[in-house]
Amino acid sequence: AQSVSQHNHHVILSEAASLELGCNYSYGGTVNLFWYVQYPGQHLQLLLKYFSGDPLVKGIKGFEAEFIKSKFSFNLRKPSVQWSDTAEYFCAGGGYQKVTFGTGTKLQVIP
Amino acid sequence: NAGVTQTPKFQVLKTGQSMTLQCAQDMNHNSMYWYRQDPGMGLRLIYYSASEGTTDKGEVPNGYNVSRLNKREFSLRLESAAPSQTSVYFCASSEQAGYGYTFGSGTRLTVV
Repeated sequence: AQSVSQHNHHVILSEAASLELGCNYSYGGTVNLFWYVQYPGQHLQLLLKYFSGDPLVKGIKGFEAEFIKSKFSFNLRKPSVQWSDTAEYFCAGGGYQKVTFGTGTKLQVIP
Repeated sequence: NAGVTQTPKFQVLKTGQSMTLQCAQDMNHNSMYWYRQDPGMGLRLIYYSASEGTTDKGEVPNGYNVSRLNKREFSLRLESAAPSQTSVYFCASSEQAGYGYTFGSGTRLTVV
């Protein structure tokens, strides 16, 4: 069965700090991987996605993620966070039919 | 661009009542999905429709039914609401199954 794990449930950073959120997946075939962001009171928005090719994927708002097949990981990174990055971040992965979401990581950025 | 539109935004039901959550997308997407979001549990797939005319169960389908009315619309029905169905429900669509999703703004449902 496919699964997606996010081990950091709550992360607190100061502005300008670097961010790395962990995501591990378990899937038996070709997997598509995603990161979504949910700002307080809003719906999920797609940050970036990986289907194939260059394992370093750049998304919106300065975020990037690296697919490391040997580690079954797809970690999200940002060099310097802003207060406006305060949100919940969801990793997701799946194959052709459907996508499984992780339980989310709440990021709080302190000014 | 409306994207994915969900109605209603908020609803309170009594145990045993029924209701239908509506979802419509205007992006000509083939696939549509219903998820529920609960604190600490992420998003769990209830039902999905990979293409018009097909529907399939997801991870947590019990207590729900769906209808893919046409390519644009995908409704979720609770026949007899239970307090365990208190949640935020999100509809999503994608160009093809497995692609990135566009989400609606959600329906916050409380069953008392």
